[in-house]
Parts: sequence; structure tokens; C-alpha cells
Amino acid sequence: GQNIDQPTEMTATEGAIVQINCTYQTSGFNGLFWYQQHAGEAPTFLSYNVLDGLEEKGRFSSFLSRSKGYSYLLLKELQMKDSASYLCAVMDSNYQLIWGAGTKLIIKP
Amino acid sequence: GAVVSQHPSWVICKSGTSVKIECRSLDFQATTMFWYRQFPKQSLMLMATSNEGSKATYEQGVEKDKFLINHASLTLSTLTVTSAHPEDSSFYICSARNPLAGDNNEQFFGPGTRLTVL
Repeated sequence: GQNIDQPTEMTATEGAIVQINCTYQTSGFNGLFWYQQHAGEAPTFLSYNVLDGLEEKGRFSSFLSRSKGYSYLLLKELQMKDSASYLCAVMDSNYQLIWGAGTKLIIKP
Repeated sequence: GAVVSQHPSWVICKSGTSVKIECRSLDFQATTMFWYRQFPKQSLMLMATSNEGSKATYEQGVEKDKFLINHASLTLSTLTVTSAHPEDSSFYICSARNPLAGDNNEQFFGPGTRLTVL
């Protein structure tokens, strides 16, 4: 079966750095996405990785290792507004997104 | 950009009634749109893939006669929840893929529709 695993909840301090991990097992791979979702709102796109390595975009970076079936989202200089759920999703061989359950990130002052 | 809208943003209806939700791609043509459902504190669950000009492809466990999908044009897909019941109360989100958006296969999400069935 297809499976995406990520921690249910994480807590971090404002101004700090946090890494959210995602491991996956899917039938085929056409890229891995990270989305941010605030409560009651639709997901917003953060990053896309299809090749191994680190993609940096401002305070957010995303890493992928296809051989390990592993990705992480790194958030630097945390701000209170970063409190949200972070969803990892993998596009399988049929170009369908397989979603993780999301990681709720709580930022404390 | 690639903007997707949904209407209505929220709806409250009585049990047994039908509710139609519209999903529009505002600045691009989407041959494929996706309908998701999300219950509180859970992840997105794909309900169906909507293809312009053809029948939608439903995920296992989703009743096609209850959740009617019509993708009549390249910019509009509709989801009709027929004979809604309280257990259908959920957050319904559509997304669309812009075939001209390059290699990243990104899906652009609408703002979602919160359905409450009394």
C-alpha cells in the first residue's frame, strides 16, 4: 500500500529552527510537495522536490532523498504566523497526490 | 498566477437537501480538477478526479450517485452532494492542475467550502 508518515504535532519557540520529517512509500514517484494549512483554510503551496537535494526558498527549505524515501521541511527564524499544519504529499506514478496526515506546528513565544 | 475559486465559502442546509459547490479556475484552463474532503484534524482525502468532457473518476468508498461531479468546461467543475446528511458535514476543497505551469505538477487549491448539514 501507499503510505506517508509525518509526526502528528511539534512545538518550537519563536525565532528558532524546526525540521519536520516525512517518510513515504508509494507506487512510483513524480515529486514531493509540502503545503501549509492554517485552520479552516485550504492548503497553500510551499515547495516541490523531484530531485535529491535541498531546495531553499527564503526561511523555508525542503530536502529530498529518493533512495531513502525521505524528505524534511526546515523552517528558520520561526514566527508566530508559522503556527499551522504542514502537509507532506507525494505524487505517484498516476500523478495523484498521496497525502500525509499533516504535522501541527505550535510556535511558542 | 493560477487562481482557483470556490463558491459558496460555507453553506448550512437541512438533512435531505442537495448542495452544489462550484470550483473555477480563474486565469487558466484546467483539464483536470480534484475534489477533496477534510474532516477536522484529519488530512485531505481525495474523493474524485474530474476530467473535462468525461466522467469523473471516483476513489474507492466514495459514492458516485451521492457526490455528483460535472466538469462541463475547462474552467468549471461542480460537486453536488445529494440528499445530504449530518455525516456529510465537512470541508470540501477543490484543486486544479495548470498544464502550462511547467514541470512541478503543482495543484492549485480553492479556498474550500465548509458544509454543515443539520
